Amino acid sequence: DTEVTQTPKHLVMGMTNKKSLKCEQHMGHRAMYWYKQKAKKPPELMFVYSYEKLSINESVPSRFSPECPNSSLLNLHLHALQPEDSALYLCASSQGPSGSGSYNEQFFGPGTRLTVL
Amino acid sequence: DQQVKQNSPSLSVQEGRISILNCDYTNSMFDYFLWYKKYPAEGPTFLISISSIKDKNEDGRFTVFLNKSAKHLSLHIVPSQPGDSAVYFCAASSPSDFNKFYFGSGTKLNVKP
Repeated sequence: DTEVTQTPKHLVMGMTNKKSLKCEQHMGHRAMYWYKQKAKKPPELMFVYSYEKLSINESVPSRFSPECPNSSLLNLHLHALQPEDSALYLCASSQGPSGSGSYNEQFFGPGTRLTVL
Repeated sequence: DQQVKQNSPSLSVQEGRISILNCDYTNSMFDYFLWYKKYPAEGPTFLISISSIKDKNEDGRFTVFLNKSAKHLSLHIVPSQPGDSAVYFCAASSPSDFNKFYFGSGTKLNVKP
């Protein structure tokens, strides 16, 4: 299984709603990522989990709350979002850091298209 | 301030010809570079990578060239096929944080039959 899956594919929510995005991989990867991508812009890194611990938080507002329940799952909890948070949210995974710090390509899911009204 | 730039938002090429996609970077600490391909409604798919110890890496129809002195890399696709039509992103990373990739804004390639 070389796939990263994301649910839901599309999500429309109001500014007072609470919702969650889910990501799953079964490749044994130990690093997982959340990216945000606006139209015609590059993916912007939000969070990195390495061995189920949050290792990078790119100064993301607290209305976005990541969670890594186990090595295969990554959630992004959303609360009190703003219309400007509407974007494609991409999850990715990679083998994770080795002792030598070697690079590993990231495998991306198809994304969740989020619209905040 | 974007550290990785793709200055051509789009490129149109005839089937069978060469496609050349360009990417520039500003951070001299970057030493690992990747190209991703993205179809509509799908996530980016890894294509090819190159480490700074090399100046060329080839995989089938895809070749990436790295010019460290110019801080420039390019992706060559030969021969181009209609199925190559997609958005191509370059990305870079540095030893100080190998989990963090900096992406360019993408180039939309259209290969005409």
